[in-house]
Amino acid sequence: KNQVEQSPQSLIILEGKNCTLQCNYTVSPFSNLRWYKQDTGRGPVSLTIMTFSENTKSNGRYTATLDADTKQSSLHITASQLSDSASYICVVRGYQKVTFGTGTKLQVIP
Amino acid sequence: DTGVSQDPRHKITKRGQNVTFRCDPISEHNRLYWYRQTLGQGPEFLTYFQNEAQLEKSRLLSDRFSAERPKGSFSTLEIQRTEQGDSAMYLCASSPTGGGHGELFFGEGSRLTVL
Repeated sequence: KNQVEQSPQSLIILEGKNCTLQCNYTVSPFSNLRWYKQDTGRGPVSLTIMTFSENTKSNGRYTATLDADTKQSSLHITASQLSDSASYICVVRGYQKVTFGTGTKLQVIP
Repeated sequence: DTGVSQDPRHKITKRGQNVTFRCDPISEHNRLYWYRQTLGQGPEFLTYFQNEAQLEKSRLLSDRFSAERPKGSFSTLEIQRTEQGDSAMYLCASSPTGGGHGELFFGEGSRLTVL
């Protein structure tokens, strides 16, 4: 069964600190992996996409990594800001199926 | 184009009533998806259209749920005889055929509360 598991479920960090969110998946065959940011009460917005051949990709203060051998991805947020408070959802696309993780709820406090 | 739009953003209804949500996708996108999301969970797939054809329906989509995309543009999701368990955020997403590695562009969602 295709699954996407994220950890931690929730996280509270101080403004300016870094954090790393984890995503483990069992989706096969694998096409790509995206990290989405979902602000409370809003729709998810794509942050990064990782394909099989990519190990690291950055988008501003967000850096995603992918290890296709161990089927793990991480999203690293540098110098967090209050506006980073949101849920971060890992989404893995297989051949024709998309599987969503349950998300990590991040709260950045002053 | 301002992206995917959904209407209404919020709907409060009494149990047993029917509700309808509308989604206008990004104009050049052929694919349109409906998802349901409850608090603390990721989106759950409901159904998917390519142009006007409904190609896939989840088992979550009971016979009280029906979705249409009559002209391959906007879509509606109707829930008949609503139940309290239907309370959720209903998300619509669209994507272009073949391009963008399947990126889903989501609307802001329609939040349903069934009393």
